[in-house]
Amino acid sequence: DAEITQSPRHKITETGRQVTLACHQTWNHNNMFWYRQDLGHGLRLIHYSYGVQDTNKGEVSDGYSVSRSNTEDLPLTLESAASSQTSVYFCASSGERDTDTQYFGPGTRLTVL
Amino acid sequence: AQSVTQPDIHITVSEGASLELRCNYSYGATPYLFWYVQSPGQGLQLLLKYFSGDTLVQGIKGFEAEFKRSQSSFNLRKPSVHWSDAAEYFCAVGVDTGRRALTFGSGTRLQVQP
Repeated sequence: DAEITQSPRHKITETGRQVTLACHQTWNHNNMFWYRQDLGHGLRLIHYSYGVQDTNKGEVSDGYSVSRSNTEDLPLTLESAASSQTSVYFCASSGERDTDTQYFGPGTRLTVL
Repeated sequence: AQSVTQPDIHITVSEGASLELRCNYSYGATPYLFWYVQSPGQGLQLLLKYFSGDTLVQGIKGFEAEFKRSQSSFNLRKPSVHWSDAAEYFCAVGVDTGRRALTFGSGTRLQVQP
């Protein structure tokens, strides 16, 4: 069955370190998204991609970057981790039609000390 | 900018009682609207979605939602709640030109009493 996976599921890092969170989907979806979830804020969009070599900034993109070199993967990089980036990160993907459902991964819990 | 408001942070209902979760949105064009459910420690699962047509939308697990343009609302309902419905519920609106990236509300946590 097609799926979307995230790794690691849990990570603890220190302030100032570079961190990369992986997202891999086997749906062959062109659209991929990264969200962060914080108490009281719901999910907020960080970056999104509508295809290979395409990336776009979302609502809370400062301090994050993504690159899309193939259809299956959209890694999220924190260039210099900050305590304010402690959060749960969700990756999602969807087909090309506006009406296609967006499927979410299981999430990565990141703690920045 | 687009926004979604879920005015109820936490709701408790008795098992078997009816449920209505409120959602109001702000969006300039015709919105694409979604309800997702998140069980503890899990990702999000789509309950239902509205794009056009019939304003009463049926979803999975016995949920339905009604789009009311005049009230900018998309409230989620269930006639009889089960203990397994305890979870967090998120309303979302599709944004950007393709309306595929989502803006979420802050969520409503549902507790079900026996």
